[in-house]
Amino acid sequence: DAGITQSPRHKVTETGTPVTLRCHQTENHRYMYWYRQDPGHGLRLIHYSYGVKDTDKGEVSDGYSVSRSKTEDFLLTLESATSSQTSVYFCAIRGTSGYNEQFFGPGTRLTVL
Amino acid sequence: AQKITQTQPGMFVQEKEAVTLDCTYDTSDQSYGLFWYKQPSSGEMIFLIYQGSYDEQNATEGRYSLNFQKARKSANLVISASQLGDSAMYFCAMREVGTYKYIFGTGTRLKVLA
Repeated sequence: DAGITQSPRHKVTETGTPVTLRCHQTENHRYMYWYRQDPGHGLRLIHYSYGVKDTDKGEVSDGYSVSRSKTEDFLLTLESATSSQTSVYFCAIRGTSGYNEQFFGPGTRLTVL
Repeated sequence: AQKITQTQPGMFVQEKEAVTLDCTYDTSDQSYGLFWYKQPSSGEMIFLIYQGSYDEQNATEGRYSLNFQKARKSANLVISASQLGDSAMYFCAMREVGTYKYIFGTGTRLKVLA
């Protein structure tokens, strides 16, 4: 258990409203990731972080921003939510074993009406 | 660009039989890592098995094994003696060397029949 929590777990919002999803980890992992999961697309990387205040874009970063002001928290913000951002959002950390496998949070189901 | 391809959207297997889930990848890197994850209907993502590009032997973890064919760029997951609890979505993924990013395939939904 990598001690990853996500909040909220479920959210329904309206088009045009800002939304912030939080990922919290308790084991001081350096690398953190945000993915979205959609049917037929698998998991697609939105943004990732390789340290406090160090972030980079993934393949589907348009419409999303992130912040990491402390090691344990990685925030994903939808500045103005659209219906195309309805999805399940997963946070992940990169493990420190030789495999560097990822461990995932439980996911956040976001619906934008 | 690096890519993972899973061509089987869905598969069925009879309980206690073996099943192979296909994964092909595309990369120009010599060093890379390949992963399989399981996602049950409850939604969590569970790491199953890892294969490094320089590993000479196929990875095994209990009933899971990885049929790694480097020249063909394939990393198929083999589940032996399937159980009803193996019914899930399975994702193949690759770690991009030097960027700390991972890319995922679109997944294969496996249904184990009693």
